Amino acid sequence: DVKVTQSSRYLVKRTGEKVFLECVQDMDHENMFWYRQDPGLGLRLIYFSYDVKMKEKGDIPEGYSVSREKKERFSLILESASTNQTSMYLCASSSVGSGYTFGSGTRLTVV
Amino acid sequence: DQQVKQNSPSLSVQEGRISILNCDYTNSMFDYFLWYKKYPAEGPTFLISISSIKDKNEDGRFTVFLNKSAKHLSLHIVPSQPGDSAVYFCAAYSGNTGKLIFGQGTTLQVKP
Repeated sequence: DVKVTQSSRYLVKRTGEKVFLECVQDMDHENMFWYRQDPGLGLRLIYFSYDVKMKEKGDIPEGYSVSREKKERFSLILESASTNQTSMYLCASSSVGSGYTFGSGTRLTVV
Repeated sequence: DQQVKQNSPSLSVQEGRISILNCDYTNSMFDYFLWYKKYPAEGPTFLISISSIKDKNEDGRFTVFLNKSAKHLSLHIVPSQPGDSAVYFCAAYSGNTGKLIFGQGTTLQVKP
């Protein structure tokens, strides 16, 4: 069963901490994405990557960075966590001819 | 600027009746439109899609209608079942950018 795995389901971090959210896919997909889901706002694209080492800003990249050192892994980094980054974070992967496959999400709370 | 809009945050219907979820978009260059279903504590799962060159696509109880002149699409679920209760996201895909843009979501509750 193909899947996208997000390493943590729930995280609680303090304001100012550096936070790493990890995502791994086993489908050999070229494309990977990070979204955040907030009530009333839907899913908003933070960053995406079309290939190893490549990254592009989505619609709301401020306060975030990403890393894609290997094809199967796409990491989202909160350089200095703030309370307005409390959210559900969703990772997805896709390839030409395939739809998006989402992970189960990481609910991050910044206190 | 919200390119994909779902103006109804919630919808409640009786089991066995039709559920109609609506979605509007602003960009005529989208290639595909998709509906995703999301349960709490799970990622969105693909439900049904429609190409921008079609006006209807049907899959079992689910039908998506596309009105390009109105930049509007809708998802019909007939008959609705309690297990359909979830958040439904409309999404639009552009081959040029490779990005999938989501609406705000509509929470559907199907009452037994």
